[in-house]
Amino acid sequence: EAGVTQFPSHSVIEKGQTVTLRCDPISGHDNLYWYRRVMGKEIKFLLHFVKESKQDESGMPNNRFLAERTGGTYSTLKVQPAELEDSGVYFCASSQMYGGGNTEAFFGQGTRLTVV
Amino acid sequence: AQSVTQPDIHITVSEGASLELRCNYSYGATPYLFWYVQSPGQGLQLLLKYFSGDTLVQGIKGFEAEFKRSQSSFNLRKPSVHWSDAAEYFCAVASPYGGATNKLIFGTGTLLAVQP
Repeated sequence: EAGVTQFPSHSVIEKGQTVTLRCDPISGHDNLYWYRRVMGKEIKFLLHFVKESKQDESGMPNNRFLAERTGGTYSTLKVQPAELEDSGVYFCASSQMYGGGNTEAFFGQGTRLTVV
Repeated sequence: AQSVTQPDIHITVSEGASLELRCNYSYGATPYLFWYVQSPGQGLQLLLKYFSGDTLVQGIKGFEAEFKRSQSSFNLRKPSVHWSDAAEYFCAVASPYGGATNKLIFGTGTLLAVQP
């Protein structure tokens, strides 16, 4: 069974440009999460989808970030326009059952975004 | 505020030596507790988790962790470290109430180096 897959693995863009990150969760997983790790700091929650609906987007930094989950399958996270402080590693995770606190979240390998 | 503290940013141990990575949390109730590991080029992998019951939890790769309520701690241990254990280790907590986002709150991570 394929794990959580993220594209691209690395991205270097200039300040002001747009970047779109993609996450393919494990098939059948209703929950999809985005997290971000800025260099030297903790991994922070960005938002949570249940199927195609945003359940919690309290961690989104500002309105330059837009996340979507088409048809409850893959998800994209767009940053437009990118700023220097957006650099970091963006992780996606998925888990099977909504409402189950003891459900394991499986993580992708992350996308390293560098804004120059 | 809910938080996780990993006081050791970087630890170096000799192969075959024992290991203990510290984790303390601040949370309104006893949360669900997790340890994740990230090896180079890989995603986050769950080592072990604690929800309730026996406070000594066994995980994969020979790791264990002990929950101590009085100290708000969940330290990770391994009796004999292997060179392949070199990685970054993250302690995390989540709400015990379920039915919610179940987002993870992470510590800043501990980078483990293993000397031959």
